[in-house]
Amino acid sequence: SQTIHQWPATLVQPVGSPLSLECTVEGTSNPNLYWYRQAAGRGLQLLFYSVGIGQISSEVPQNLSASRPQDRQFILSSKKLLLSDSGFYLCAWSGMGLAGGNYLRGNEQFFGPGTRLTVL
Amino acid sequence: AQTVTQSQPEMSVQEAETVTLSCTYDTSESDYYLFWYKQPPSRQMILVIRQEAYKQQNATENRFSVNFQKAAKSFSLKISDSQLGDAAMYFCAYSDNNDMRFGAGTRLTVKP
Repeated sequence: SQTIHQWPATLVQPVGSPLSLECTVEGTSNPNLYWYRQAAGRGLQLLFYSVGIGQISSEVPQNLSASRPQDRQFILSSKKLLLSDSGFYLCAWSGMGLAGGNYLRGNEQFFGPGTRLTVL
Repeated sequence: AQTVTQSQPEMSVQEAETVTLSCTYDTSESDYYLFWYKQPPSRQMILVIRQEAYKQQNATENRFSVNFQKAAKSFSLKISDSQLGDAAMYFCAYSDNNDMRFGAGTRLTVKP
């Protein structure tokens, strides 16, 4: 069966410090991978998605970046954290796109347990 | 960009009763998918139900069903025979060729 891991579970970082959050998926190949941020009391905002190794698409301009060095590894990074980067970060994966090949359409996304980031 | 609106920040229901959570969305696409996700206190996101826009029949999953009104761009979730374990944040989501959007969520409380 497929599983998705995120670490760390909780992180407290000072403003201006770097960030690296890791997400790994087991039990599947060629997953589509996603990073979301959930601000307190708000919905999910899609930050990045990846359809393959080295392929990253950014949804919103921001202080963060993402990388996919391996098929089942997705990393969220920042060189200098801002206070506004605080939030709950969720990684998700889905299978390949439906007939027609599009990666987003219709596929259930499976979410990791999340990382709570507090920037002080 | 497509938007998803959940107009009810909080809802409550008595155990064993029925509750309906509202969701509306805005799109110019004709082919898309809609989802309801549940996020319990553990923060784990769980898919509750999915609806393909090209299907007229409303999706159902056990006690969960949707009322999909394509013309009105409405996608409500009905929970029947509510259980204490249904207490959670519920997120409506939209997906098409180029976009994936979530609503702000509705916090559902189930009273014993």
